[in-house]
Amino acid sequence: DAGITQSPRHKVTETGTPVTLRCHQTENHRYMYWYRQDPGHGLRLIHYSYGVKDTDKGEVSDGYSVSRSKTEDFLLTLESATSSQTSVYFCAITPGTGSYNEQFFGPGTRLTVL
Amino acid sequence: GENVEQHPSTLSVQEGDSAVIKCTYSDSASNYFPWYKQELGKGPQLIIDIRSNVGEKKDQRIAVTLNKTAKHFSLHITETQPEDSAVYFCSASGGSYIPTFGRGTSLIVHP
Repeated sequence: DAGITQSPRHKVTETGTPVTLRCHQTENHRYMYWYRQDPGHGLRLIHYSYGVKDTDKGEVSDGYSVSRSKTEDFLLTLESATSSQTSVYFCAITPGTGSYNEQFFGPGTRLTVL
Repeated sequence: GENVEQHPSTLSVQEGDSAVIKCTYSDSASNYFPWYKQELGKGPQLIIDIRSNVGEKKDQRIAVTLNKTAKHFSLHITETQPEDSAVYFCSASGGSYIPTFGRGTSLIVHP
């Protein structure tokens, strides 16, 4: 298995509180991604990073921010959590070299916002 | 941007039957088409991929076909087993490292 861990694995929080999810990789891959997975919607890209301090928005970035201060860590922050952000969040990485790059996914974080 | 449609959303088969999942894509520049399997409570994992210069690829009981002209690709699973039960995602990407995923197919294999 690719060396990707996510923390926490489960979290329950209340509306309006800040939440930070962490993705840690040991593969030294250049690209890191945050997705959310909801029934009927598949995997939707929130934000991605193509290097330290280099990030960009995905299709569902509203209400989320990210930071990447080290190659191995990619943080996803919900500044003020809402019930619509209840979801399963997956981090993924890809080498970012060559033309064909599979994605390696972490185990996921289940977030419930009450 | 790229748009990937995946069908069906749910597929129920008897053990030993074949299963086929189909995807279409919109961007003719896409050149990499992986398939991921997601078991309950886990992250998706690559099971097979195909590149735009190949029409078909097989790996034991699974195969993927690609029709670039029609912009569609399919996953074929033969002799299905209960452990094949999972959610399957197709994906398409070009040179941007930003893949687009289909919405997933829940495959249920009945013993």
